[in-house]
Amino acid sequence: QQQVKQSPQSLIVQKGGIPIINCAYENTAFDYFPWYQQFPGKGPALLIAIRPDVSEKKEGRFTISFNKSAKQFSLHIMDSQPGDSATYFCAASGGATNKLIFGTGTLLAVQP
Amino acid sequence: NAGVTQTPKFQVLKTGQSMTLQCAQDMNHEYMSWYRQDPGMGLRLIHYSVGAGITDQGEVPNGYNVSRSTTEDFPLRLLSAAPSQTSVYFCASRRQGSSGNTIYFGEGSWLTVV
Repeated sequence: QQQVKQSPQSLIVQKGGIPIINCAYENTAFDYFPWYQQFPGKGPALLIAIRPDVSEKKEGRFTISFNKSAKQFSLHIMDSQPGDSATYFCAASGGATNKLIFGTGTLLAVQP
Repeated sequence: NAGVTQTPKFQVLKTGQSMTLQCAQDMNHEYMSWYRQDPGMGLRLIHYSVGAGITDQGEVPNGYNVSRSTTEDFPLRLLSAAPSQTSVYFCASRRQGSSGNTIYFGEGSWLTVV
């Protein structure tokens, strides 16, 4: 049983395009939804995060859209660059233990 | 700025051997955890700890043991390695309390069991 479902598994866009990665969750106790970026050979690093009391959060070229009623959230990368090529993970936590549960990841390639 | 330090970086084990992956953090974080990363599976939680002397199971705990004798250290033990444990292992830590506290990852340990 996967608590956080992520799609697509991989994504290729041209430089300047707007890749969108989607996640869905089931546990209504989740109250924190971060996105992590991982480069090859490195550990994941926090990119941006949102709480369910807002529908959108923007930091630079990265935007999270959140739909509480649908239990879905997504990452948009504006004006994507080759340096954004990485694996992106959505995650969710909350409830009694605050365990951070990850999606399966999206491998993004931004072509020059 | 050491953050979360994992050792070893790479390890090859034979089936049935035992080993310990070391993890240390210098941020005085109460919460520490171990994940394994496999293609198409994302990061799956193995074990976690909310403080010294307290550990609990995550999504995939079978075949792994942990202990937390100090705030700084959280070793992961494989008692009898199996090929299914070939993976990349990440240790992570954060302050306990709010679910919104940023979690910091180590650089990873690549383990191959032959």
